[in-house]
Amino acid sequence: DTGVSQDPRHKITKRGQNVTFRCDPISEHNRLYWYRQTLGQGPEFLTYFQNEAQLEKSRLLSDRFSAERPKGSFSTLEIQRTEQGDSAMYLCASSLIQGAEAFFGQGTRLTVV
Amino acid sequence: AQTVTQSQPEMSVQEAETVTLSCTYDTSESDYYLFWYKQPPSRQMILVIRQEAYKQQNATENRFSVNFQKAAKSFSLKISDSQLGDAAMYFCASQNTDKLIFGTGTRLQVFP
Repeated sequence: DTGVSQDPRHKITKRGQNVTFRCDPISEHNRLYWYRQTLGQGPEFLTYFQNEAQLEKSRLLSDRFSAERPKGSFSTLEIQRTEQGDSAMYLCASSLIQGAEAFFGQGTRLTVV
Repeated sequence: AQTVTQSQPEMSVQEAETVTLSCTYDTSESDYYLFWYKQPPSRQMILVIRQEAYKQQNATENRFSVNFQKAAKSFSLKISDSQLGDAAMYFCASQNTDKLIFGTGTRLQVFP
């Protein structure tokens, strides 16, 4: 297994456009997390899946954000009508069980111009 | 609510010396996990060390060890024999039943 992979690595988009990111977790991991990280800050929790069920969403996740994890495998994070404030690194992580090490992807850097 | 506080935005250490990074957390749960993650520049986050709250013994991984003070809700990371490759952002994190909550990080510089 090659670890957690995220696609694309970089995305530049115009304000108002929709963007979608993909995360492929480690195959046997049933927990999947999305975080947002701005420069010099710690990752902020966005949402969490256990298998295909989205168990928690942060209040940071406005109505413009939606995440899915069909069949409990890969996950997508969509941002509609992007704003400049959405510019950040979006990190995906997966883990096997509660309390286990979370493995992170390299992130998708979003720039909204 | 779960919170994690790292009060040292930056720390520096000389190669081969020892440095301690501070972290305090707040949780109402009795069962939780604590982590230190390392994020090198432009590279992905990796686990440094992990502590289960119900274990009194402090976790150790080679040159990395923690001082876990449960009553004080303190979880500091000690790096011994610092190496140039230890230079990175270090994030303290806590986990109850589900999400990992991170602190704001400490940037560690290592000088030759």
